[in-house]
Amino acid sequence: DTGVSQDPRHKITKRGQNVTFRCDPISEHNRLYWYRQTLGQGPEFLTYFQNEAQLEKSRLLSDRFSAERPKGSFSTLEIQRTEQGDSAMYLCASSQAIKGTSVTYEQYFGPGTRLTVT
Amino acid sequence: AQKITQTQPGMFVQEKEAVTLDCTYDTSDPSYGLFWYKQPSSGEMIFLIYQGSYDQQNATEGRYSLNFQKARKSANLVISASQLGDSAMYFCAMREGRFDGGTSYGKLTFGQGTILTVHP
Repeated sequence: DTGVSQDPRHKITKRGQNVTFRCDPISEHNRLYWYRQTLGQGPEFLTYFQNEAQLEKSRLLSDRFSAERPKGSFSTLEIQRTEQGDSAMYLCASSQAIKGTSVTYEQYFGPGTRLTVT
Repeated sequence: AQKITQTQPGMFVQEKEAVTLDCTYDTSDPSYGLFWYKQPSSGEMIFLIYQGSYDQQNATEGRYSLNFQKARKSANLVISASQLGDSAMYFCAMREGRFDGGTSYGKLTFGQGTILTVHP
């Protein structure tokens, strides 16, 4: 399977605990995105990476959230001191962008990590 | 203001018939892209079709076509010959093209989605 993978698929945690999610993009893709989706809503952008550089962060990404992509391959999203409002599906996507052009290919999404904070 | 508006919370269609899912967008950027994704109950987002703002012709991908009306800022998805497996949530999304060092931003802004139910 050469698609985007995410781990774990489901996570239940108690309020105040830290959680970390992992995303493995399609191998040749240089862009990696994180989105959050709550029930009945469309995904909302959190942050994205071009190779290992984090180029943009949404204001939705509070100080409790941190994302890394250390070698430009897989990425991790950590949430510290989780709150019930963090309960959502966390989606990772990857794409290939061509530098110097406006061409940005479609984003391919992983299956998501569903977080439940009790 | 909403950048992507999908006004149909739910749509119903008979199997083998065509259905149109509405999407309007708002941007002042001359360079943008419009996407449609399908999200079945399993949760994975599946890319369906893409339309660039400078594309002269409407995009088509198999049974999917995008009715792009630039002046009206609409990008409706048309599914022909509906199948039971088309029952899912459908999202319209927009990428606005801004440049930083020659590389466009790629983040997508999504609408709230339309639930499509295909009846046998």
